[in-house]
Amino acid sequence: AQSVTQPDIHITVSEGASLELRCNYSYGATPYLFWYVQSPGQGLQLLLKYFSGDTLVQGIKGFEAEFKRSQSSFNLRKPSVHWSDAAEYFCAVGLNYGGSQGNLIFGKGTKLSVKP
Amino acid sequence: DAGVTQSPTHLIKTRGQQVTLRCSPKSGHDTVSWYQQALGQGPQFIFQYYEEEERQRGNFPDRFSGHQFPNYSSELNVNALLLGDSALYLCASRQTGIGSYNSPLHFGNGTRLTVT
Repeated sequence: AQSVTQPDIHITVSEGASLELRCNYSYGATPYLFWYVQSPGQGLQLLLKYFSGDTLVQGIKGFEAEFKRSQSSFNLRKPSVHWSDAAEYFCAVGLNYGGSQGNLIFGKGTKLSVKP
Repeated sequence: DAGVTQSPTHLIKTRGQQVTLRCSPKSGHDTVSWYQQALGQGPQFIFQYYEEEERQRGNFPDRFSGHQFPNYSSELNVNALLLGDSALYLCASRQTGIGSYNSPLHFGNGTRLTVT
């Protein structure tokens, strides 16, 4: 069955430090991969997506993610974290129905706290 | 350009009652999906509507039903509410069709349902 694992429930980093959030997926076909961010009481905002092509994708707010098929991973990175990045981050796999997007399967999320 | 809008933002119901949640998709989007997000969890797919028909369904009981209207807006109905139905209900929309296979989901801010 398809699944997404985010091994880190909670991460704390200092402002200005680099960040890497881990995501591993289980899916038999070529996945569509996404990272979303959720601030308290808010919906989900798309940070970046991978459908095909270049395995290093750039997103909004200075985030990037790298798709590694051999490791079934899609880790999110940011070189310098800002206090406003404190939020919950969700990795998701989009099911591939013959090239058409199916529903998303989400991980349980990683809560990011930023120390001043 | 209005994004995905949901109403109401908060709702309190009693066990056994019925509830209707509403969603207006982002302009230009024709496919609407509903997700349930329990506290501390990632969103879980309920179902997807396109051309006024349910196209995909997640592992939710028949108490959960929906509808899509000709203007693409959608409703989620839950009958015989249980305490475990307390959650944030997220509506998401995307554009479907030729050339839009990589159109990502856009989420609303959700409806917080509390069942007492």
